[in-house]
Amino acid sequence: GAGVSQSPSNKVTEKGKDVELRCDPISGHTALYWYRQRLGQGLEFLIYFQGNSAPDKSGLPSDRFSAERTGESVSTLTIQRTQQEDSAVYLCASSRGTANEKLFFGSGTQLSVL
Amino acid sequence: QKEVEQNSGPLSVPEGAIASLNCTYSDRGSQSFFWYRQYSGKSPELIMSIYSNGDKEDGRFTAQLNKASQYVSLLIRDSQPSDSATYLCAVYYGNNRLAFGKGNQVVVIP
Repeated sequence: GAGVSQSPSNKVTEKGKDVELRCDPISGHTALYWYRQRLGQGLEFLIYFQGNSAPDKSGLPSDRFSAERTGESVSTLTIQRTQQEDSAVYLCASSRGTANEKLFFGSGTQLSVL
Repeated sequence: QKEVEQNSGPLSVPEGAIASLNCTYSDRGSQSFFWYRQYSGKSPELIMSIYSNGDKEDGRFTAQLNKASQYVSLLIRDSQPSDSATYLCAVYYGNNRLAFGKGNQVVVIP
C-alpha cells in the first residue's frame, strides 16, 4: 500500500475485555514495529518483527500483550484482559531494514479502556 | 536503560524567529540520531537524521550533534505556524532499538 495502515483508528473497550489491533505495513518493508504512546509521553517500544526471524518481544509490558506477524505482511497486536493503564495510542511503523533507517508510521489506534 | 531526555514544557516562538530544541542521551555508543515531527493527533514523521559530529542542514532545519557531550539539537529557522508541532528526538543504539524522548512542543505565534 501507499502507507502504513492501522485499524481500528479508535477503540473503546471495557476493562477486562480483549482487543486486537491491526497493522498493514508498506509493501516490501521487512521490519515492523509496535510502539505505545501515552498522553504527553514519548514512544515506548513494544515489539519488533524482521522478516521471518523470531520477533524481539522484550518491550511487551506484560504477558497480557502479544503480537503476531506472518512473513512480511499484516501484524496484529492483542491485549488480553485490558486494564485502564493500557489506554494509549498504539503506533505501528515499518521500514525497509532496521530502525537505523527511516520509520514510516501509521496513524495509530487510540485505545480507551473504561 | 537507554535514556533520551528532552526539555519539558512548550516552546513558544514568534513567527520568523529561530526555535531551538535540545536532546541528551545516555548511551555513549549511540551512532544515529533522528528528529521526528508529530502534529497533534497525527503520527510521527522523520524530518532529520544525523550521524556525524557537527551540523547538518536541510532547508530551514539544522541538526547539530556533539557526541562528546552526548547531545543533539534541532534548530528551526524562520519559524512558520506550520512548524507548530511536537518534535521527538530519537536515538538508535543497536539491536534495532530506537529510543524516543518525550518530545518538545513548539508553538509558533503569528
